[in-house]
Amino acid sequence: KNQVEQSPQSLIILEGKNCTLQCNYTVSPFSNLRWYKQDTGRGPVSLTIMTFSENTKSNGRYTATLDADTKQSSLHITASQLSDSASYICVVSPYNDYKLSFGAGTTVTVRA
Amino acid sequence: DTAVSQTPKYLVTQMGNDKSIKCEQNLGHDTMYWYKQDSKKFLKIMFSYNNKELIINETVPNRFSPKSPDKAHLNLHINSLELGDSAVYFCASSPSITSYEQYFGPGTRLTVT
Repeated sequence: KNQVEQSPQSLIILEGKNCTLQCNYTVSPFSNLRWYKQDTGRGPVSLTIMTFSENTKSNGRYTATLDADTKQSSLHITASQLSDSASYICVVSPYNDYKLSFGAGTTVTVRA
Repeated sequence: DTAVSQTPKYLVTQMGNDKSIKCEQNLGHDTMYWYKQDSKKFLKIMFSYNNKELIINETVPNRFSPKSPDKAHLNLHINSLELGDSAVYFCASSPSITSYEQYFGPGTRLTVT
C-alpha cells in the first residue's frame, strides 16, 4: 500500500474558483512534506515545502497546510487560472532516509 | 540556461535493444537522481548519486545501469529493453543529499515496441 494517498484523483473547476486537494500519509517519522506541480509533458516543479513543525506555507495563490498529528496535508488553490491545469503531487520525506514517498497526484483541469 | 536537461526527450525503440538517456545539470548541485514515472503517474526513485557516488539503488533490474562521469552528469543505460520499461524517466538534482529541494528535468518518454 502506498504511503502517500491523494484525493481526489482528478477534478474540474471553473476559472476564478477555489479548490482544495488532499494528501494523507503514513510515513513516520517524517521530515518534510512537499507539494509539486507537474504540467503535462514536463517535470515536477516545487510549490511548497513544510517541515514537521510548520502548519502552513504559501506560494502566491497556493497555500499548503499540514497537520502532523493526523498526518494530513492540503493544498488550496485560490482564484484558479487556466495555467493551474496540471497534476499536483504530494511528496513526503522520511526522517533520516533519503528516499521520498510520492503520491499519485491529483489532476486539476481549469475551464474558462 | 536550462537547469536540468535530458536527452532525448522522446525515445522509441524495439524490445531487446540497448539505449541510453543523458542528464546534465548546471546548478552546481552535488546530488542527482533518476526517477521512473509509470502510466499511473507514480514517481519512483531508481538511483541517486552524491558526488559521483551511488547512494540509492532501489530494486531495479540489473539491465539498468547508471553512470556519473562527473557531478554535473548522470546517465542511464538500459540493456535488453522490455515492454514494461515504457515510461517517462526523470532526472533530478539537489544541492545535497539532505537538501529538501529537488529540481527535475523535462523527462524522457521511452516507448518500447
